[in-house]
Amino acid sequence: QLQLQESGPGLVKPSETLSLTCTVSGGSITSASYYWAWIRQPPGKTLEWIASFHYTGTTFYNPSVKNRAIISVDRSKSQVSLKLSSVTATDTAVYYCARHEVGATSPFDYWGQGSLVTVSS
Amino acid sequence: DIQMTQSPSSLSASVGDRATITCRASQSISNYVNWYHQKPGKAPKLLIYAASTLQSGVPSRFSGSGSGTGFTLTISSLQPEDFATYYCQQSYSSPHTFGQGTKLEIK
Repeated sequence: QLQLQESGPGLVKPSETLSLTCTVSGGSITSASYYWAWIRQPPGKTLEWIASFHYTGTTFYNPSVKNRAIISVDRSKSQVSLKLSSVTATDTAVYYCARHEVGATSPFDYWGQGSLVTVSS
Repeated sequence: DIQMTQSPSSLSASVGDRATITCRASQSISNYVNWYHQKPGKAPKLLIYAASTLQSGVPSRFSGSGSGTGFTLTISSLQPEDFATYYCQQSYSSPHTFGQGTKLEIK
């Protein structure tokens, strides 16, 4: 059974860089059939897709993060990482990693349990 | 970006009732809509993809329909575990976008 587990700092200061890691188990991070994504949810709000990564290096980003985000994969550790620079209070959210298929319908079918990140001094 | 607008924002219903949630896209997106529900403190769970295909393991009381700009999620007979927040999501074009959510509460 595929499992995704996020880990992160919990608290980040404004203007610093947020770093999150998602460890994938029970499946291959180098599968050609899937993207690995980061999605966030501010408290009490809806979900926002941030970025997706395919092991071949193809990446997609939401313009809303305005070139602040970098998504990458460490194949040796089976991990997907997200770095978000110059954070502000509006980046406070639960951050989820998720998997979605390559292809148009592309639903997010597996999710991690989420990692709460608070941006505060 | 494609905007996804759900209605209603909240819905109060009883166990055994039929519930219907609608989602409207700001432009035509064929059948590229997925539906999720989310319980407090938990990750979203995929229910329906490609507008009408039931995800493996999801009860058959859930169904989806629609194409173009209008989509519907129907729960035929509400069970206690169905009270949650429901989200639609479009996968027609990047960035993927979600509706604002519909909170389904017990009456």
